[in-house]
Amino acid sequence: NAGVTQTPKFQVLKTGQSMTLQCAQDMNHEYMSWYRQDPGMGLRLIHYSVGAGITDQGEVPNGYNVSRSTTEDFPLRLLSAAPSQTSVYFCASSYSEGSNYGYTFGSGTRLTVV
Amino acid sequence: QKEVEQDPGPLSVPEGAIVSLNCTYSNSAFQYFMWYRQYSRKGPELLMYTYSSGNKEDGRFTAQVDKSSKYISLFIRDSQPSDSATYLCAIWGSGTYKYIFGTGTRLKVLA
Repeated sequence: NAGVTQTPKFQVLKTGQSMTLQCAQDMNHEYMSWYRQDPGMGLRLIHYSVGAGITDQGEVPNGYNVSRSTTEDFPLRLLSAAPSQTSVYFCASSYSEGSNYGYTFGSGTRLTVV
Repeated sequence: QKEVEQDPGPLSVPEGAIVSLNCTYSNSAFQYFMWYRQYSRKGPELLMYTYSSGNKEDGRFTAQVDKSSKYISLFIRDSQPSDSATYLCAIWGSGTYKYIFGTGTRLKVLA
């Protein structure tokens, strides 16, 4: 199994450009989420999804859109990039069944907005 | 008040020391308590998790949850230089779908 695959690994955008960060998982997990990680601020939840067709906002959703048309894919769209969106973005998927639990992160996308 | 508080460190210890990493949380509704390890320029990896209260041991690592005081701990015995990383605690309640991370503690184990 590949786990959680994120593309691209690195990206430089100009202010105002839009782009989509891709995330795919092959573990049939229902729950997927996007985080951004900034120095001193830890991981902050942007958006999450509890299944295909269902998404919701996290802690810092402004400037980002998501959709979940399939269980496997959960892309994150930056609508109009701003320097404040320079960060490392992680996608994750998880499951829980009673006391069993699993949570897998992708390797991250380093985004710089100039 | 943040829902999860974690001392950012950095924490430097000599090889072989016992390391204690801690977090406090404020919402008693959470059921899953996790510890992640993150090496530099990598994604976090799940190290251990505890469901509800109590202790869990895995090799040199022990996770402890005290729900009465809302305190979670990770102990590393016989620490190794390869344990040098950032350790993040996290809490989750499946009913709320809220998943909250601490800011992470940077650990350096000196050879």
